[in-house]
This record gives sequence, C-alpha cells and structure tokens, in this order.
Amino acid sequence: DGGITQSPKYLFRKEGQNVTLSCEQNLNHDAMYWYRQDPGQGLRLIYYSQIVNDFQKGDIAEGYSVSREKKESFPLTVTSAQKNPTAFYLCASSSELGTTRGQPQHFGDGTRLSIL
Amino acid sequence: EDQVTQSPEALRLQEGESSSLNCSYTVSGLRGLFWYRQDPGKGPEFLFTLYSAGEEKEKERLKATLTKKESFLHITAPKPEDSATYLCAVQGSQGNLIFGKGTKLSVKP
Repeated sequence: DGGITQSPKYLFRKEGQNVTLSCEQNLNHDAMYWYRQDPGQGLRLIYYSQIVNDFQKGDIAEGYSVSREKKESFPLTVTSAQKNPTAFYLCASSSELGTTRGQPQHFGDGTRLSIL
Repeated sequence: EDQVTQSPEALRLQEGESSSLNCSYTVSGLRGLFWYRQDPGKGPEFLFTLYSAGEEKEKERLKATLTKKESFLHITAPKPEDSATYLCAVQGSQGNLIFGKGTKLSVKP
C-alpha cells in the first residue's frame, strides 16, 4: 500500500529539548512538505523540499530544522528555540517536479506534539 | 497576496438535506484548486483538483465546481459519514499551497 507514514502519533517535549518527527513516503514523489495545524487556523507551511539534499523555508520556519538525505524521508526537528510547539504536524508529498499544472499533495496522519 | 476564504465556518445538515460549501480565492496565476476532507485526528484526504473556470468534478455525493473567483463543493443528499472538515487550497505561480481554514460539516441522522 503506497502512502505516507508519520511517527510517532503523539509526542511530548520537555523544556529545552529538541524532538524529531519522522516522515516516510513510498509514493516515489519528488517533493515533500511539513505543515503545522492549529485550531481555527489553516495549514501553515514550515519547510519543503523538491529534491534530495535541497530544502527551502516556508512561512513559519523559525525554531524548526529539516534534512532530506533520501528521497523517501523528510524528518522535522522541533528545536528548543520554538517557544510554542504545541500543534498538529502534518507531512505531505507530491509529484511536483517538472510539472506546470499543480499536483495534489498527499498527507500522512500527523503527529500531535505537546509540552510537558 | 494569495488568499483563500472558506464559508461557512460550520454547517449542520439533516441527513438528505443538500447544500454547498464555498471557497473564495485570490491568486496570481492559478495552477490548481484542491479540495480535501479531514476527519478528527487524521491528515487531509485528497478529493478533487480543478484547473480552470467551468471545470467540474464528481465523486459519489460530492461535486466540485470552479469559477474565476470561487469554488463550490456541492453535497447531495448527505449521510452522517460525510461529517468532516472540508479544506480548500489554491496553488498559484509562486508554487506553494495556500489553505483556507475549512468548513466543519455535521450531518445528523
């Protein structure tokens, strides 16, 4: 079954701690994305990557970091610099590279991060 | 600035009572308008892509339409299992998706 797997489903962070959220896809998609979802707000883009070893900041990148060492994987680290990390984090992928028409993004089932 | 506004924020329907959800947008160089369904605690599930004014897509009880300024998601004879939050997003020439805040649909039996 092709899809996007996010883990863990729930994560708790202590003060001053960095935590890493996992995202793996087996859809053979070039592009991958991280969004943050807060109650009553639309999804906001944190980082995106269109190709291995390359990524760009989205609208709210401060306090977050990413890597893209493999096509299938795009982990997100929430650093201690992110002062309000409690949110629902969603990873997505799409076959965007080289297309002129917008391609749909397909999402994982999210990781809910809370502060201890 | 690219922008997406969805209305209403919440909609309560009786089973079988048809209605429409609205997505108004402003975007530079529309590359696509996307509809998603999101259940509580889950990621958004892709429903439709629309590319140009006049285009329509259908899937079971759902039909999406597009004009130059807005899109509608029509729900015909809804069932309780259609209850979810419906998200609209646009992709413009700058490439990234801009999401609306969603419409939360509740269908009572």
